[in-house]
Amino acid sequence: GIQVEQSPPDLILQEGANSTLRCNFSDSVNNLQWFHQNPWGQLINLFYIPSGTKQNGRLSATTVATERYSLLYISSSQTTDSGVYFCAVARYQTGANNLFFGTGTRLTVIP
Amino acid sequence: DVKVTQSSRYLVKRTGEKVFLECVQDMDHENMFWYRQDPGLGLRLIYFSYDVKMKEKGDIPEGYSVSREKKERFSLILESASTNQTSMYLCASSLWGTDKPTENTEAFFGQGTRLTVV
Repeated sequence: GIQVEQSPPDLILQEGANSTLRCNFSDSVNNLQWFHQNPWGQLINLFYIPSGTKQNGRLSATTVATERYSLLYISSSQTTDSGVYFCAVARYQTGANNLFFGTGTRLTVIP
Repeated sequence: DVKVTQSSRYLVKRTGEKVFLECVQDMDHENMFWYRQDPGLGLRLIYFSYDVKMKEKGDIPEGYSVSREKKERFSLILESASTNQTSMYLCASSLWGTDKPTENTEAFFGQGTRLTVV
């Protein structure tokens, strides 16, 4: 499978601070997604971003597929941003695009 | 909105029991997946299905089987539950599989099932 590395593993921020999460992957991929796992365990879709840059409110993401990395930017962080952020890359295999996950970045935003 | 629904949020079963985890999606997606999530190991693919009655093994299929009799439903079966199958189980679906980067293959997840085997 594809190796996916996320950094940093843990991040503690003061409310209002900005942060950048990084995702490196070991091979060419068909697509890339960023998720936020809420305290109840559900994975919430943040971005579907095989390449280029997208923005959604205080969050934005950039994927440079040729260099095999993606970045997630969180600006003006809020306590509700706390949780684990996962990067997942997909490779086409036997009729489906299977996702390979990184081990996540645990973000804690303190008031 | 895409909705992927797992039948139980929490489940406690005894060792040796046959366990069924159900997942239903309402967006006519071709592909469905089962993952398990464990601390320190991340999310790992158990099985996936790209069409009705079609299934493929993922990275950790041992001790599991699956069933997809209808397009909207994908079941994970633990034939004889063991304590090392205590985990968080996550179901996902996506429209279809393709290696064309211009096609949207975004995956959506259910709320997860926390299974404890005692």
